[in-house]
Amino acid sequence: ELKVEQNPLFLSMQEGKNYTIYCNYSTTSDRLYWYRQDPGKSLESLFVLLSNGAVKQEGRLMASLDTKARLSTLHITAAVHDLSATYFCAVDISFGNEKLTFGTGTRLTIIP
Amino acid sequence: DAGITQSPRHKVTETGTPVTLRCHQTENHRYMYWYRQDPGHGLRLIHYSYGVKDTDKGEVSDGYSVSRSKTEDFLLTLESATSSQTSVYFCAISDPRSYGYTFGSGTRLTVV
Repeated sequence: ELKVEQNPLFLSMQEGKNYTIYCNYSTTSDRLYWYRQDPGKSLESLFVLLSNGAVKQEGRLMASLDTKARLSTLHITAAVHDLSATYFCAVDISFGNEKLTFGTGTRLTIIP
Repeated sequence: DAGITQSPRHKVTETGTPVTLRCHQTENHRYMYWYRQDPGHGLRLIHYSYGVKDTDKGEVSDGYSVSRSKTEDFLLTLESATSSQTSVYFCAISDPRSYGYTFGSGTRLTVV
């Protein structure tokens, strides 16, 4: 059974600081997704990482994937208040019968 | 989200009553999913469909059934609602060609 673990579960950080959210998964996969969720809202797709060594960046967020270590990271650079949200990673391993397995999420709070 | 709608958005029901949630898509995607979201658990897959009349169970399928008689509609039924099924339910669609998953706005269900 696929397990997806995120840490930390809660993260409170000051504006301007850098931090990293970690996502570990238990079974080989080449497809990893990052989502953002604001309170009471749906999930917004941030990144899709499709191969070992993949790196994608959008604004102050950068995601990377190491399939050999079964690890993805979401790095936040010079955090701003607007990045406060819950971030989820999710893994898709069922080629031909796709479905996502999610981590428990990281609730990020940026303090002015 | 564009191309996928859930109804109702909110529902309060009594224990023991049947409840049906609807997911409608206009993207003609083959795959459709039902997830539930609970604090501390992230999103967990209930059931999914990989085509008309083709469905399969997810990790938390007990107490739920689904039907897909048309490509565009995927129904989730709680045969006899229980308080443990109080949750936020998300529908999702996917297009394997683009490795993209799109989530609906969610249905907040309260069982009293």
